[in-house]
Amino acid sequence: DQQVKQNSPSLSVQEGRISILNCDYTNSMFDYFLWYKKYPAEGPTFLISISSIKDKNEDGRFTVFLNKSAKHLSLHIVPSQPGDSAVYFCAARDTGTASKLTFGTGTRLQVTL
Amino acid sequence: EAGVAQSPRYKIIEKRQSVAFWCNPISGHATLYWYQQILGQGPKLLIQFQNNGVVDDSQLPKDRFSAERLKGVDSTLKIQPAKLEDSAVYLCASSFPGPYTDTQYFGPGTRLTVL
Repeated sequence: DQQVKQNSPSLSVQEGRISILNCDYTNSMFDYFLWYKKYPAEGPTFLISISSIKDKNEDGRFTVFLNKSAKHLSLHIVPSQPGDSAVYFCAARDTGTASKLTFGTGTRLQVTL
Repeated sequence: EAGVAQSPRYKIIEKRQSVAFWCNPISGHATLYWYQQILGQGPKLLIQFQNNGVVDDSQLPKDRFSAERLKGVDSTLKIQPAKLEDSAVYLCASSFPGPYTDTQYFGPGTRLTVL
């Protein structure tokens, strides 16, 4: 039972354009959402998060949007840079599970010149 | 600030052998997690420690996997005996617990290949 879904395995975007990565979830008990970035041979690195009481959180070039009614969140990267090329994981925390995170399967972003 | 340390980075063993992984979390982080990441999938939580007590081990295959966190700092994850399907990257993460602030910080992982 995949509670966090990233339906696009890969995405290619030109440098300078916007990258939009999507994530859907099914568990209405999720109250906190995070995006992690992963380079090859490295562990995931925390990127940005949002709590369920907000619908938007911004940090520099990265913005996460949360639509609770649709159980959907998205990560926007503007402008995209070649160094953003990585695998992006969406993760969600259940209020009742003491910080346990459920991860999606990831989206590989390639930013081309 | 030093990050989460893991060793070894790579390990190749034959099925039915045993293997152990080591993790040193970020200083001051009371919560430690072990994840298994199979190729093409997201990380899956195996076990979560709060100090040296187990909070969640519901997805740990206890017939072959074991983990301990002595003195609430370093942790080891052991597999005995290993199966082919255990081939994966084993990630350790740590966090400083708090509402909406317990972001998990990951180590580089140990890539295990079982032949």
